[in-house]
Amino acid sequence: DGGITQSPKYLFRKEGQNVTLSCEQNLNHDAMYWYRQDPGQGLRLIYYSQIVNDFQKGDIAEGYSVSREKKESFPLTVTSAQKNPTAFYLCATGLRNTEAFFGQGTRLTVV
Amino acid sequence: SQQGEEDPQALSIQEGENATMNCSYKTSINNLQWYRQNSGRGLVHLILIRSNEREKHSGRLRVTLDTSKKSSSLLITASRAADTASYFCATDAWDTGWRALTFGSGTRLQVQP
Repeated sequence: DGGITQSPKYLFRKEGQNVTLSCEQNLNHDAMYWYRQDPGQGLRLIYYSQIVNDFQKGDIAEGYSVSREKKESFPLTVTSAQKNPTAFYLCATGLRNTEAFFGQGTRLTVV
Repeated sequence: SQQGEEDPQALSIQEGENATMNCSYKTSINNLQWYRQNSGRGLVHLILIRSNEREKHSGRLRVTLDTSKKSSSLLITASRAADTASYFCATDAWDTGWRALTFGSGTRLQVQP
């Protein structure tokens, strides 16, 4: 079953704690992206990667980190430096100049 | 930064009516795409229109693109209650190099049965 899988669906973080969101794809796409969505808002780009071992900051990268060691995986770490991490996080894959495919999202809440 | 801005922010219509949403953007683009999002879910791609195209159809969807005005519109004809969702435009563009899709703030469509 081809697609993109995000886990977990729900995640709770304590103040000062780092958490990692998983994103895995078997579509053989080179590009992968992370977006943040706040309630009633659009998507804002956090990081993106066009190829293994390379990634670029998006518009709101502060307080986040990523790695791209394998083509299939693009995990996002929300660090303690991110002061307002409660949001819906979406991972996507795609090819240049074509559509993007999205995972079902991870809802992160600070407790 | 938000490349695309949708208008209206919210739209409520009756089943069977047409729904029109507009999107404006700021820079030159390779293509413009429309996505749909049901509440609390991921986005689903609806249609892509390239910068050299002016109009495209897919089922009950019709998209237009005016690159001189940097705007696009999405028309959903004969709407159904199941069309209730948020709709986003996204642009694929070059800046100092290629970058990821940039999304607008969305239009929340409510179709009343």
